[in-house]
Amino acid sequence: DAGVTQTPRHEVAEKGQTIILKCEPVSGHNDLFWYRQTKIQGLELLSYFRSKSLMEDGGAFKDRFKAEMLNSSFSTLKIQPTEPKDSAVYLCASSPTKNQDTQYFGPGTRLLVL
Amino acid sequence: GQQVEQSPASLVLQEGENAELQCTYSTTLNSMQWFYQRPGGRLVSLLYSPSWAEQRGGRLTSSAASNESRSSLHISSSQITDSGTYLCAMERGTGGYKVVFGSGTRLLVSP
Repeated sequence: DAGVTQTPRHEVAEKGQTIILKCEPVSGHNDLFWYRQTKIQGLELLSYFRSKSLMEDGGAFKDRFKAEMLNSSFSTLKIQPTEPKDSAVYLCASSPTKNQDTQYFGPGTRLLVL
Repeated sequence: GQQVEQSPASLVLQEGENAELQCTYSTTLNSMQWFYQRPGGRLVSLLYSPSWAEQRGGRLTSSAASNESRSSLHISSSQITDSGTYLCAMERGTGGYKVVFGSGTRLLVSP
């Protein structure tokens, strides 16, 4: 059984561009999470889906960040327009359910915005 | 806003020693979760603790002291492969998933 996969692994964007990051959760998992990780801010939650419904939209990240889950096996995170401060590693994780269960993380997408 | 502080920021142990990593938080806790990351590696969930409940997994034990707003991760008989960064995450509130992460403890276990 494949773990969480994320593509691309690396992305370089110019300021103002639109980029779309992709995630495939573990098959059969109900919950999907998007996080951002930087050296300064650490790990921050961007979005949380339960059974494809958006449960948490990350508050401060609403304006330019939009996560979608059109089916149970695929999710995207769109950043529009990108800014240099968006440079970070974007992590996707899935779990059978949020409570009591382990989250399985993908390898991350390293984004650099110039 | 709510904050999660982790201590120590870094820790060096000799193989076989025990470690205690701590998280303190500034608001009412729903649950606490611990994660681990090796440099260049994926994040791994370690333990999930509903409020005040002790959780065990192998050589790991997480516990919470509600009156001190503190949660601890105990690592017994540390091994070189335990080296990496340990993150705690505090979940608060009802509904959704309102989580705040600590800045991490870097653990180095030497032979």
